[in-house]
Amino acid sequence: SQKIEQNSEALNIQEGKTATLTCNYTNYSPAYLQWYRQDPGRGPVFLLLIRENEKEKRKERLKVTFDTTLKQSLFHITASQPADSATYLCALDTRPGGFKTIFGAGTRLFVKA
Amino acid sequence: GAGVSQSPRYKVAKRGQDVALRCDPISGHVSLFWYQQALGQGPEFLTYFQNEAQLDKSGLPSDRFFAERPEGSVSTLKIQRTQQEDSAVYLCASSLDTNTEAFFGQGTRLTVV
Repeated sequence: SQKIEQNSEALNIQEGKTATLTCNYTNYSPAYLQWYRQDPGRGPVFLLLIRENEKEKRKERLKVTFDTTLKQSLFHITASQPADSATYLCALDTRPGGFKTIFGAGTRLFVKA
Repeated sequence: GAGVSQSPRYKVAKRGQDVALRCDPISGHVSLFWYQQALGQGPEFLTYFQNEAQLDKSGLPSDRFFAERPEGSVSTLKIQRTQQEDSAVYLCASSLDTNTEAFFGQGTRLTVV
């Protein structure tokens, strides 16, 4: 069956360092992959979308890579700040049609000042 | 309003009671999604609307769950004869089209006692 795996353990890093979060998937051929941020008590907020024919995408301090051979995406936050502390969700479309977006369980990031 | 609005924010229901959760999407957004999010998990897809047409309801867990979007804007998710396992946060999201950025509401936290 289709599966998305994100690190279930929280990631603790020091302010200013680069945070790297991993998303692995199996039994899947997504057309695109998305990353969302979710704060406690709030809905997810879209951050970045990367398509299957793109290897890397950047937005300000964020960088996403997408390796369809390894079936893996890496999400990087450079020069991390305490305000980056949140849960980060990886999401994939389903084929065909792309109506259904499947989310991972998320990785909790804590950035210490 | 500028964003997706959900009401109520919190709902406590006695087991066996029927509930109705409302979603006001961003004006002009064609696509509308409902998700269920259990504590510590990612959102799980329930159903998808394109305008007033419900194109995918494969994620609805049982026939006690029913969703509608009669005029292609506001949507209601109804749960009949609520059970304790229905306790979760119910998230609504809308997007301009199927494969574009989705905007989430804050969710409705349902607690069945």
